Order: sequence, then structure tokens, then C-alpha cells
Amino acid sequence: EVQLVESGGGLVKPGGSLRLSCAASGFTFSSYSMNWVRQAPGKGLEWVSSISSSSSYIYYADSVKGRFTISRDNAKNSLYLQMNSLRAEDTAVYYCASLKGATFGYWGQGTLVTVSS
Amino acid sequence: EIVLTQSPGTLSLSPGERATLSCRASQSVSSSYLAWYQQKPGQAPRLLIYGASSRATGIPDRFSGSGSGTDFTLTISRLEPEDFAVYYCQQYGSGGHTFGQGTKLEIK
Repeated sequence: EVQLVESGGGLVKPGGSLRLSCAASGFTFSSYSMNWVRQAPGKGLEWVSSISSSSSYIYYADSVKGRFTISRDNAKNSLYLQMNSLRAEDTAVYYCASLKGATFGYWGQGTLVTVSS
Repeated sequence: EIVLTQSPGTLSLSPGERATLSCRASQSVSSSYLAWYQQKPGQAPRLLIYGASSRATGIPDRFSGSGSGTDFTLTISRLEPEDFAVYYCQQYGSGGHTFGQGTKLEIK
């Protein structure tokens, strides 16, 4: 059974930092591009960042470029998102999701990040 | 960046009825890169349709996708109680991935 389990969310002050993790199991993690997608409370979905299977290609949404860093460790079947200079508008549930072609096939249950003073 | 506009914002129907959800793109989208997702409250999105018209594994055949260019449609032929949820279209292009704002399908 495919599982993606996010962790690391919580309450952080504006300007602060947080590191999210996503532990994968049940599929060949090293063969898939991985992504972070977020959803602000009561709002729609927003793609945040992508990383290719070997970490050769990395992309970010303009809204997080220069502040967030995506990385992965295929030996540990894990995906990460380092978030710096956090703003109130970064408050959201953050999902990790696998990418096959151009489609998000597997999703985790998400971890909530709240940016507030 | 390609903007996806979904309509209607809310669709009120009864079980057994047919639902037609629209997704319109601000510029042409490759059909290979258009997908639909279902999201229920408190849950992660679930992939329904990829490549504009291919059903994902385990998705009932009452769900179908169609369209090309800038106009895409998700059709649910006969609504079941578990189909009432929010539906998102998504595309991949030069600006990255973008989602529509969602259509809420509610019980009438």
C-alpha cells in the first residue's frame, strides 16, 4: 500500500523557519518526481515545488521562490521542504504528492503550517 | 502562467442526476497534461482523471473526462451520495502546475 506521511508542521512566527518532511513507502520512491502542494484554510490547491527523481531538476512557484528549498533523500525514501522567511500567507496544509507524467497520483494526508505572531 | 477557471462555483444536484463540471484554460493546454481531482472535507485530493479522459485506477466508470485545447469537462453520469465533494482541474505547462479554483458539488 502506498503511503506518504508528512510531518514537521506547526505554529511559527512571521519571519521564522520550518522544515517539513514526507516519508514514503509502498512504491519505488526513487523513480518518481515529488512535489509539495499547499491549501490555505478554506481555499483551493496551490502547487509549491517539484523535484525530479534524481534531484537534477527543481522548480518553485513564484510565491515561494528564494524562501523555500525542496530536497530529497532516496536512500531514506524521504522528501523535505525547508521554509524560511515565513509569511502569514504561507499558512496552509502542505501535502506531498508523487508525480507521474504531469499528474499528482499519490498524496499524503498533509501537515498544517500556521504562521502567526 | 496558464489560469484555469472552473464553473460553476457550486453545483446543487440530487443523487441519480448527471453532473457536468467545466474547466476553461486561459491558453491552450495539452490534453496529456490535464487532470481532475476529488477532495472531500478533511481529506487529501484524489486523482480521478488524467490525460483529460483516462480514469485513474479504481475510479468508477460513472466518471468521465473530455475536452481539448482550452475547454475540458468532467461528467459524473449518475451521482452517488459519496460523489458530493469539491472537484479541481489541474494542468502542467511552462509556468509549472496550476489548479482551478474548484467546483463544489452539493446535495440539493
